[in-house]
Amino acid sequence: GAVVSQHPSRVICKSGTSVKIECRSLDFQATTMFWYRQFPKQSLMLMATSNEGSKATYEQGVEKDKFLINHASLTLSTLTVTSAHPEDSSFYICSSTGAPNTIYFGEGSWLTVV
Amino acid sequence: RKEVEQDPGPFNVPEGATVAFNCTYSNSASQSFFWYRQDCRKEPKLLMSVYSSGNEDGRFTAQLNRASQYISLLIRDSKLSDSATYLCVVNQAGGYNKLIFGAGTRLAVHP
Repeated sequence: GAVVSQHPSRVICKSGTSVKIECRSLDFQATTMFWYRQFPKQSLMLMATSNEGSKATYEQGVEKDKFLINHASLTLSTLTVTSAHPEDSSFYICSSTGAPNTIYFGEGSWLTVV
Repeated sequence: RKEVEQDPGPFNVPEGATVAFNCTYSNSASQSFFWYRQDCRKEPKLLMSVYSSGNEDGRFTAQLNRASQYISLLIRDSKLSDSATYLCVVNQAGGYNKLIFGAGTRLAVHP
């Protein structure tokens, strides 16, 4: 079974609305969560790194006010895409390190903004 | 220049073929290297880590050349189930923290 549970797996929303994506670690404490975005035929691009109880660190070019990350507990991190637009349509995926030298990915979320 | 570059393919090969994928990375300080497999519309899954001495896991062999900043993956006796996108992944800090992904190489194995 999944070690990092991510949902929703697919979401369609209207332009201008906000969408929240959740990642929960099931059997370990996810001190750090990484959020990636992948456009078709492109690589996974790191958007931000979040540490439990502190502000996320965003990669260059990622708008922190548009992509809100909350990591309030050791088992839950959320990514909220605010005022979504069609160009935000993408595959969003989280990952976290569990045991040493082990990384777990969520199942990913397909966002379509219409 | 991209930090991790791969030939996008697709590589179309028959079952039983041997296929090789190449990858180059730009940061000479990179410390950890991996090959991941990603099936269509799914999360990436670790295929194998890549060590300087080269390593093998069944039909899969990975090689690293630090001097040339080059990584390779060889798949022998291709199976239909090997059809996927193979991602070259580099970690500059060591371990599994900040992973830099290549765009992937698509492999299609046909009967």
